[in-house]
Amino acid sequence: AQTVTQSQPEMSVQEAETVTLSCTYDTSENNYYLFWYKQPPSRQMILVIRQEAYKQQNATENRFSVNFQKAAKSFSLKISDSQLGDTAMYFCAFMKGMDSSYKLIFGSGTRLLVRP
Amino acid sequence: EPEVTQTPSHQVTQMGQEVILRCVPISNHLYFYWYRQILGQKVEFLVSFYNNEISEKSEIFDDQFSVERPDGSNFTLKIRSTKLEDSAMYFCASTRGTGGAGYGYTFGSGTRLTVV
Repeated sequence: AQTVTQSQPEMSVQEAETVTLSCTYDTSENNYYLFWYKQPPSRQMILVIRQEAYKQQNATENRFSVNFQKAAKSFSLKISDSQLGDTAMYFCAFMKGMDSSYKLIFGSGTRLLVRP
Repeated sequence: EPEVTQTPSHQVTQMGQEVILRCVPISNHLYFYWYRQILGQKVEFLVSFYNNEISEKSEIFDDQFSVERPDGSNFTLKIRSTKLEDSAMYFCASTRGTGGAGYGYTFGSGTRLTVV
């Protein structure tokens, strides 16, 4: 069974600085996807960034980038130039590439506070 | 941009009562889901639905739960006899599936269920 671990329950960063959120996962699959979702106080789940396991290049979306280390089963999220609107809960999630259901398995989340 | 719509946004129900949570997934999506998030905790998979039947369910999804797609657009989650521990945020989501699943889900904004 797949598991996703986020070892940092809470993080804090000064506005305009850079922060990295950690995520590790365990799987025997070779084909899978990894995601970071943001959950602001409104509790909406918003997709931040995705990574396909067969791609070595790290995904980037504007200020958000990942460091994907497949051998180490690590998938960290870097937020550059942090903004107050980045304050939210961040969830790392795993999906098998070929699956009967394509369900997402979530980590326990990291609460990020961006300080002015 | 297409949205997943959930109603109601907040429902309060008495313990033992039946409750139906409603969702309208994105029209060209093929896989539909319900997830649950107890306050402050991780997001948990409940059930996936494909081709008019359940493709996978978790151990949380016991006989008290059922899902239905009665008319080709709505997707409902029914809890037959609610318990206090069913109080949570319930998210509906959809995805295109197969190759499209790797692009992630579109989540609805959630229904906060409070059982009293």
